[in-house]
Amino acid sequence: DQQVKQNSPSLSVQEGRISILNCDYTNSMFDYFLWYKKYPAEGPTFLISISSIKDKNEDGRFTVFLNKSAKHLSLHIVPSQPGDSAVYFCAASADTNAGKSTFGDGTTLTVKP
Amino acid sequence: DVKVTQSSRYLVKRTGEKVFLECVQDMDHENMFWYRQDPGLGLRLIYFSYDVKMKEKGDIPEGYSVSREKKERFSLILESASTNQTSMYLCASSLFGTGGYGGYTFGSGTRLTVV
Repeated sequence: DQQVKQNSPSLSVQEGRISILNCDYTNSMFDYFLWYKKYPAEGPTFLISISSIKDKNEDGRFTVFLNKSAKHLSLHIVPSQPGDSAVYFCAASADTNAGKSTFGDGTTLTVKP
Repeated sequence: DVKVTQSSRYLVKRTGEKVFLECVQDMDHENMFWYRQDPGLGLRLIYFSYDVKMKEKGDIPEGYSVSREKKERFSLILESASTNQTSMYLCASSLFGTGGYGGYTFGSGTRLTVV
């Protein structure tokens, strides 16, 4: 039973346009959500997070939206840049799991110049 | 600059060998984790640890064990390597209890091939 799902394995967008990456979860105990970015041959790096008490968090070009009723979150990148091309992982954690995050499968974003 | 260092970037081992993957962090983090990354399966948690000598099974612990003798070091052990353990192994650490606030810091990964 996959508790965190990223249904789009890949996404291609033009430089300057918006990239929207989506993530769905099933466990209602999750109360903290994160996005990581991974370049080839490197470990993932933390990008942005959101607590379940919020519905939006913004950091520069990156905004994460959380819809708790739909158990859905999304990452918006505006404007997209070629350097944003990477694999993006959605992750979720719950206090009861005390330190453990559950990850999605990842979405490969390609930003074309 | 804080770091999680994995001792090897690439390893090739034979079936049946005992394999040690080492991970060291310099951030005084309490929590450490071992994940494996496989195409189409994302990151799956193998084991994690909250403190020295403490360990908890993750989602796929079979065939693995861990050791945490010192706070900064978390080792993953493949007791008898098999070809289905060929994968990218990622070590991570975090300071806060949920592993959420501020996210994990990951190492660069160890690409293990079992032949």
